[in-house]
Amino acid sequence: DIQMTQSPSSLSASVGDRVTITCRASQSIAGYLNWYQQKPGKAPKVLIYAASSLQSGVPSRFSGSGSGTDFTLTISSLQPEDFATYFCQQSYTTPRTFGQGTKVEI
Amino acid sequence: EVQLVESGGGLVQPGRSLRLSCAASGFTFDDYAMHWVRQAPGKGLEWVSRISWNSGTIDYADSVKGRFTISRDNAKNSLFLQMNSLRPEDTALYYCAREGGMAPLFDYWGQGSLVTVSS
Repeated sequence: DIQMTQSPSSLSASVGDRVTITCRASQSIAGYLNWYQQKPGKAPKVLIYAASSLQSGVPSRFSGSGSGTDFTLTISSLQPEDFATYFCQQSYTTPRTFGQGTKVEI
Repeated sequence: EVQLVESGGGLVQPGRSLRLSCAASGFTFDDYAMHWVRQAPGKGLEWVSRISWNSGTIDYADSVKGRFTISRDNAKNSLFLQMNSLRPEDTALYYCAREGGMAPLFDYWGQGSLVTVSS
């Protein structure tokens, strides 16, 4: 199975900050990497798919980059509604493994 | 509007069975592969199973293989997860999710159905 490792596990940031979350795959997954945001008590919501494509309706302050084994999610200017947990997920093969999550706190 | 609504969760003793359902609406159900994803209390996301649009391709996580069975009824726009030989570690919120048509992402999720395995 492909292991997905996110860093950091949590971070503290302020409104307006630029935030970067990293996801590393245990083997190459080309560009088959998705990012999800989850708020407490809610289902996850896809932000980025295919490493860098912005899902319809997602604010442009979210962006993704990377290929192969190393990927990044960037929030260019953190907004109050962005405080949540973020998960990466590889869609290269089954099992469709997720990273352990990164909690973004105030 | 796309909607996925899970049901069937509850409290069950170890070793017993439970069947989850996911009712889909707002899209052509048999155009899409569907998945089950679970989340233990306070933990991360764990992919459980996938079924293709015509049930021709089915996959499971190792942790549930041989115990869980995914199925679908396209005539009734429904997805199912039969869970047998349940263990305490199966305790989680179970989400059904649609796989996007143009890319392998989970573009819509249900609200989840809570399964608690405890004596």
